[in-house]
Amino acid sequence: NAGVMQNPRHLVRRRGQEARLRCSPMKGHSHVYWYRQLPEEGLKFMVYLQKENIIDESGMPKERFSAEFPKEGPSILRIQQVVRGDSAAYFCASSPSAGIYGGYTFGSGTRLTVV
Amino acid sequence: QQQVKQSPQSLIVQKGGISIINCAYENTAFDYFPWYQQFPGKGPALLIAIRPDVSEKKEGRFTISFNKSAKQFSLHIMDSQPGDSATYFCAASMETSYDKVIFGPGTSLSVIP
Repeated sequence: NAGVMQNPRHLVRRRGQEARLRCSPMKGHSHVYWYRQLPEEGLKFMVYLQKENIIDESGMPKERFSAEFPKEGPSILRIQQVVRGDSAAYFCASSPSAGIYGGYTFGSGTRLTVV
Repeated sequence: QQQVKQSPQSLIVQKGGISIINCAYENTAFDYFPWYQQFPGKGPALLIAIRPDVSEKKEGRFTISFNKSAKQFSLHIMDSQPGDSATYFCAASMETSYDKVIFGPGTSLSVIP
């Protein structure tokens, strides 16, 4: 049973480009969470999604960031017109039921570098 | 009020020693306190977790101590090993807002031979 798969592992984008980060949850997990980790900081909640629905996006910046979890395929975190401050590690976690009590499993992350 | 504070920022312990990491929170609505371990280049992995109805939980060499009145909890790693060298995050969440897990800033632990 493969864990949470994130790709790419490393992504380099120039300022103003778009970044697309993908997350395939564990088999049987229909709840996906995205977190951002800035250097020397803890993980910050961004968004919580279930299949085809955004449940909580209170941690998402209001502009340039969006997330989706379609009926088929991976969850996508999209960052438009990237800026240097977007450089961070982005982690996806999945669980079989709502919330951390069901057991969060994190992927290995995508490290975004904006040059 | 949503913040979780964690100290120290970094810790160096000799092999066989005890590693202690402390966390504090303000929101009394938090009711679940997990600890995560993260190795370089990897995602965080759940290590051990506690609820506020118990004061201590032990799993192998890892123990969480919880002080509800002081709103503090700590992780003790007994007989620390070089393989324990990693970043440790304490976290907190509440059942009424189960999707939000608030992480502390992390402690970088180095266990030296």
